[in-house]
Amino acid sequence: AQTVTQSQPEMSVQEAETVTLSCTYDTSESDYYLFWYKQPPSRQMILVIRQEAYKQQNATENRFSVNFQKAAKSFSLKISDSQLGDAAMYFCAYRPMYSGGGADGLTFGKGTHLIIQP
Amino acid sequence: DAGITQSPRHKVTETGTPVTLRCHQTENHRYMYWYRQDPGHGLRLIHYSYGVKDTDKGEVSDGYSVSRSKTEDFLLTLESATSSQTSVYFCAISRGEGDTQYFGPGTRLTVL
Repeated sequence: AQTVTQSQPEMSVQEAETVTLSCTYDTSESDYYLFWYKQPPSRQMILVIRQEAYKQQNATENRFSVNFQKAAKSFSLKISDSQLGDAAMYFCAYRPMYSGGGADGLTFGKGTHLIIQP
Repeated sequence: DAGITQSPRHKVTETGTPVTLRCHQTENHRYMYWYRQDPGHGLRLIHYSYGVKDTDKGEVSDGYSVSRSKTEDFLLTLESATSSQTSVYFCAISRGEGDTQYFGPGTRLTVL
């Protein structure tokens, strides 16, 4: 079974600084997708970024970028120029490209609580 | 934002009572999912649907059943609620297998 590990329960960063959230995963699959979701206090789950494992180029979305290391099974999220609105829980998630008869859904890490210091 | 609504948004019920949560989408997406979120566990898959009347179990399906009679609606039923089912329940949708999942606003369920 796949597992996703977020080793930092909580991180704190000064406004306008850069922060990196860690995520590692365990899988025997070669083709899969990785995601970062943001959950602010409103509880809404918001997609931040998506990475296809077959793409070597790291995904970016404005101030958010990832460092995808397939061999190391590592998928970290970098937030540049942190803003107060970035304060939230961040979840890393994994999904195989083909469910292969198994349950089709996302496997989530336990989350990292990001605090932005003004 | 994807057009996903969940009802009710909050519910308090007693142990042993049946509870049904509804997820409604206006995106005509084929796949729908139910997850639960508990402190220290992230989100875990309960059941999912890959088409009308086509459903399957997820990681934590015991004590839950689902139904999907229309593309737009996916119902989650707790036949006899227990305190261990106190949680926040999220519905998600995706266009196809492997596509990005978009989440509803969640339902907070408390079983006393």
